[in-house]
Parts: sequence; C-alpha cells; structure tokens
Amino acid sequence: EAGVVQSPRYKIIEKKQPVAFWCNPISGHNTLYWYRQNLGQGPELLIRYENEEAVDDSQLPKDRFSAERLKGVDSTLKIQPAELGDSAVYLCASSLRGSRESGNTIYFGEGSWLTVV
Amino acid sequence: EDQVTQSPEALRLQEGESSSLNCSYTVSGLRGLFWYRQDPGKGPEFLFTLYSAGEEKEKERLKATLTKKESFLHITAPKPEDSATYLCAVRGAGNMLTFGGGTRLMVKP
Repeated sequence: EAGVVQSPRYKIIEKKQPVAFWCNPISGHNTLYWYRQNLGQGPELLIRYENEEAVDDSQLPKDRFSAERLKGVDSTLKIQPAELGDSAVYLCASSLRGSRESGNTIYFGEGSWLTVV
Repeated sequence: EDQVTQSPEALRLQEGESSSLNCSYTVSGLRGLFWYRQDPGKGPEFLFTLYSAGEEKEKERLKATLTKKESFLHITAPKPEDSATYLCAVRGAGNMLTFGGGTRLMVKP
C-alpha cells in the first residue's frame, strides 16, 4: 500500500517568490494534516482537514499561507510571498478517523524541504 | 495547552549499551501517546501508540512504557542502525498531535 506522497521533495526559492507543495494521502484516509518542522525541533501543526473541511487552522499564518483540499483527497499548501523564516520541512500526514485502533495513528510523508534565499 | 518535553536532547551510546529516552507530558484527556523514529531527510516513521498508564509495547530492541506523566523508550543492546531522532507526541481532547523536540540518538560501533 502506498504511503503519503509529497512533492516536490526539495525546493529552493528566492524570498518574496511563491511556492506550492502537494500531498496525496494514504488511500481512504479522511483526515489530512500539514505540519512544519524546523531544524532540530519537532513538527508543529499548521492545518488539519476532516474530508474537505479545515477543522483546525489556528497555527496557519493566514497572511501568506493558504491550503486547500478539493474533493477531500489531495491537498496543496501555498506560501506567497515566501520569507527567509519559512525555510523548513513541510510534512503532510494522514489518518483514518474511526475507532481508537484504526483512527489514532498518523502516518507521515517524506516531507518537502524548503530553502528560501 | 498540551505540552511534551523530551530528554536528553542528544544521546551517544556504544553498541550494546542499553539506555532509556524520556518523554514528559501534560495533556487534557489523553487519547494516545505516540513514538516516532525520524531518519535524516525522512519523515517521521510510526513506532508505537500507548493509551493508558501501565501499558507497554515492544518492537525488536525497543520497548515503550507509559505512566500518567511520562513515557520511556527503552533501547536494549542498540546497534548503529538504531541511530536516529526519536520523537514523542501526545493526542489530547482537542484531537491534535503535539510533538516534543526529539532525542537525537547516535550509536557507535
């Protein structure tokens, strides 16, 4: 079974340029997450989707970040314009909402590594 | 607000030297404590979920335990391939996963 797929894996852009990341979750998983991980730190939640609905986006910097999950499957995360401090790894993850046994484990993709110069 | 603190930040072991990693947490309505392994350049890889105090899970050389305030990841006779960053996270009543800063483990042959 395919895991969480993200692209691109690596991206280098100049500040003030836009960038977009794409995520395809595990088949059948209705919950999708975007996390940001800075070097040497644990991941921090940016936004969580239940199907198409963003149910937790309190940590998403809405002035420059946006996300969408059309049709409740794939998702994109966009930054416009990018700033130097946005350099980080952007992790997409998914889980299956349901019983404790099936719904609690969150599976991560390999991440999209962003460098803003 | 849910909080997770991991210690030590970094740990160097000789091959075969057993040790433990600590994860201290505060959470409103624990719905699971998770351990992940993260290799350089990769995303976190799921290891264990623990739900209640006294619960233990094992996988190869790793054993995770849980109390009401902390979790331990015990590594028995580690090998160099166990070198990685180990992340602890909790899911509380808000259904969010809150991570600690991780422990970077290096096992020397």
